[in-house]
Amino acid sequence: NAGVTQTPKFRVLKTGQSMTLLCAQDMNHEYMYWYRQDPGMGLRLIHYSVGEGTTAKGEVPDGYNVSRLKKQNFLLGLESAAPSQTSVYFCASSPGLAGVGTGELFFGEGSRLTVL
Amino acid sequence: RKEVEQDPGPFNVPEGATVAFNCTYSNSASQSFFWYRQDCRKEPKLLMSVYSSGNEDGRFTAQLNRASQYISLLIRDSKLSDSATYLCVVTATPTNQAGTALIFGKGTTLSVSS
Repeated sequence: NAGVTQTPKFRVLKTGQSMTLLCAQDMNHEYMYWYRQDPGMGLRLIHYSVGEGTTAKGEVPDGYNVSRLKKQNFLLGLESAAPSQTSVYFCASSPGLAGVGTGELFFGEGSRLTVL
Repeated sequence: RKEVEQDPGPFNVPEGATVAFNCTYSNSASQSFFWYRQDCRKEPKLLMSVYSSGNEDGRFTAQLNRASQYISLLIRDSKLSDSATYLCVVTATPTNQAGTALIFGKGTTLSVSS
């Protein structure tokens, strides 16, 4: 089982460039999330989606946009990358709202982004 | 006070040792608590939920003290394979303004040596 797959795994960008991170899950989960993880910081929620066609802002949404056109895919876009967006990005999915029930999030392997 | 606080460590212990991690949380309304494990340069994975009465899964025991807003994880008979970062996770209930349902601590790093 693939679970949650993120592409690309690594990327180096120059300031001002744009890019899209793709997340795909094959577990038919309704909820999907994008987190970033920085040294010395906990995972922070960027955006999330409670179902196909829906998106909502998390704790740190500025500089990012998302789309969920298909249930299995959740895209994270950086329109104009900044060095402050250098981070490891994790996509996750859950069958229900995270924190309800088992509280289990299924994470992808992460995407390491460096903005020069 | 930060929402979820953990001692970052690192905790360096020999194989076979017993080690305990602590976590405090600030939202007294939080209802669900979890420990996640994250291996170096890997994604986090759920280790175990934490129940009010305390719960055990093999060598791992989780405890919750709601009055003190304190969670612990005890690992007995440590193995080399236990080396990882352990994340304390608490629900923001009701979800906070940012829609965040899970609040992650920064993690405690454990290194088990032979």
